[in-house]
Amino acid sequence: GAGVSQSPSNKVTEKGKDVELRCDPISGHTALYWYRQSLGQGLEFLIYFQGNSAPDKSGLPSDRFSAERTGGSVSTLTIQRTQQEDSAVYLCASSPRTGGGTDTQYFGPGTRLTVL
Amino acid sequence: AQSVTQLGSHVSVSEGALVLLRCNYSSSVPPYLFWYVQYPNQGLQLLLKYTSAATLVKGINGFEAEFKKSETSFHLTKPSAHMSDASEYFCAVTVPTGNQFYFGTGTSLTVIP
Repeated sequence: GAGVSQSPSNKVTEKGKDVELRCDPISGHTALYWYRQSLGQGLEFLIYFQGNSAPDKSGLPSDRFSAERTGGSVSTLTIQRTQQEDSAVYLCASSPRTGGGTDTQYFGPGTRLTVL
Repeated sequence: AQSVTQLGSHVSVSEGALVLLRCNYSSSVPPYLFWYVQYPNQGLQLLLKYTSAATLVKGINGFEAEFKKSETSFHLTKPSAHMSDASEYFCAVTVPTGNQFYFGTGTSLTVIP
């Protein structure tokens, strides 16, 4: 019964480089969420997947951010041409069924991204 | 849209004292409300949630919260603080048909021995 895992745990990159962040949700969970946690801030919603579809992309901060999910399981968040303001902890969460509040979200430990 | 406000970014209590972490919400429809705890270098863990059943919700580790519609509040309490309670706490809101969860900026709890 593994929980949500994320990789890498830490990523240091140079401004302008592309990065990929990976999330492995709990097996069988159909809903998957990406959040960004900046220093001193709450969690900022980025994107939500139901299966492989992303019905809600409204939280992505710019067109440099994209995400995909394959096989209803693993998800990848890609940030192109990283900027220093992208530095944050990126958290992934999964839940068993649909979105909405009835399901509990299970969070991964996050990926700490530092853009130099 | 919904939002939550956590009053007090830092709260300090003595071991054994009452813990009170404040959360006020804004929602145009009946909300679902959550409290999460975040331990260092770990993801968020659900403490408790309100989903329109009993207004007094009991969670893990002795925490509870009361939904007060008239005050638009969902404050988190624990009668007696333990050293192990020191952590970061987040309040969050969504609605039954929503997919987005809106989190507060967090409250860091320090427990003084």
